[in-house]
Formats: sequence, C-alpha cells, structure tokens
Amino acid sequence: GENVEQHPSTLSVQEGDSAVIKCTYSDSASNYFPWYKQELGKGPQLIIDIRSNVGEKKDQRIAVTLNKTAKHFSLHITETQPEDSAVYFCAASIFHPSTPTGDGAGGGADGLTFGKGTHLIIQP
Amino acid sequence: NAGVTQTPKFQVLKTGQSMTLQCAQDMNHEYMSWYRQDPGMGLRLIHYSVGAGITDQGEVPNGYNVSRSTTEDFPLRLLSAAPSQTSVYFCASSFTDFGGAEQYFGPGTRLTVT
Repeated sequence: GENVEQHPSTLSVQEGDSAVIKCTYSDSASNYFPWYKQELGKGPQLIIDIRSNVGEKKDQRIAVTLNKTAKHFSLHITETQPEDSAVYFCAASIFHPSTPTGDGAGGGADGLTFGKGTHLIIQP
Repeated sequence: NAGVTQTPKFQVLKTGQSMTLQCAQDMNHEYMSWYRQDPGMGLRLIHYSVGAGITDQGEVPNGYNVSRSTTEDFPLRLLSAAPSQTSVYFCASSFTDFGGAEQYFGPGTRLTVT
C-alpha cells in the first residue's frame, strides 16, 4: 500500500518568517494530495489540495508544490502568524474507480494515507 | 448544517467491554470513514463506507465493526475493548470518493481503555 513520510515532526519559526513542510509518497498511482490543519482539540480541516496534473497551487499565504517524478510534495506558508500554530498533515490518495471490493486489490486500503504530522510553532 | 457530529466526546472503558461510537452527518455525503489518531502515528483508516449498505476495511480494521444503514449515520463498534484501542477517533465524510473530495472531520472521541 501507500506510504507517506512527512518531515519535520516539529517546526518552530519566527512570526513573519516562512515555513516549509515536506512529504514523500511511495505509490506512483497516487493522484490527489491534500493538506490538513488540526488545531488543538479539533478535527483536521482541509487547507489546500493538489492533483497530479498540476505542479503548484496557491491560496493567499499558502502554497503546495508537487514533484511527481521525485514523488514528493511540500506545503509552504509565508508571512506566518500566531494562528498558523497547529499540527499539519499531508496525505495521498490512491483512487481505484472499481472500489470497493474488499479483496485487497492494490495490496492496501483505499482512502487517504496520512503522514505522521508536523507540529508547527510560531514564535512571537 | 451541523456538519459531522460525534458522540461521546470522551469515554473510559474497561478491558473487554463493548461500546459504539456514534457518527452522523447532515450534508448528504455518500462517503464516510473512521480514523484513529495516535501520538506520532498520524491518522489511520479503520473502516469506510461509500454509501448505505456498503462498507469496507481500511488499514487497521481488527477489533472494530461498522454498518451503514442510512446515509446519515456510520457507527463504529468496539467488540471487546483492549488497551491498544486507547486513541482519539475521528469520523469523516465527503461528497465523493477519497481521490478528490474534501474530507469533513468530526470533533473526535477520546477513548481510554483501562
């Protein structure tokens, strides 16, 4: 199945500086890469996503880049603010149009495979 | 819309007890899923459903059962709780498949098994 590695596990940056979180994935069939932000005591919330037919996507201070050849994608946050402090998760999706069969096709579960998360700390 | 709701928010069980974690969504989403979140492990898929009457296993299904009798509800049952099931459980729903739709997560249920 898919394996998603995320680095770093903790990132501390000064307010106003940029933050970059990197993820790699193993399955070249993955074609959807969302990023989720989780604030303390809450469920994750989608902040940006990218599909494999696009190399970069921006939304105000947030951007995501994708390198399909190298199988890695990154989240970039510019001009960080205190409210950016949270845990960020990358994920990759293996979409099989014939799902679900429950027969283990592809050797793993369908659905989002998440990285282990990055705790982003914005220092005032 | 209330979005995705989960009950209870906190639960303590003794080893061997059974219980059901409730999940409901009012967005008419076809896809629903359950994840568990453990420190340093990220979110791992337990079970998912692509519509009423259809469920399938995720990455870590052992010890859990699900059913989907309606579009709105997707309960997760722990058959015989074990300390290894101590975790935070999140239910999520989406309009379509995992490969392109935003997952809407509930607020989570923190479960402790002693």
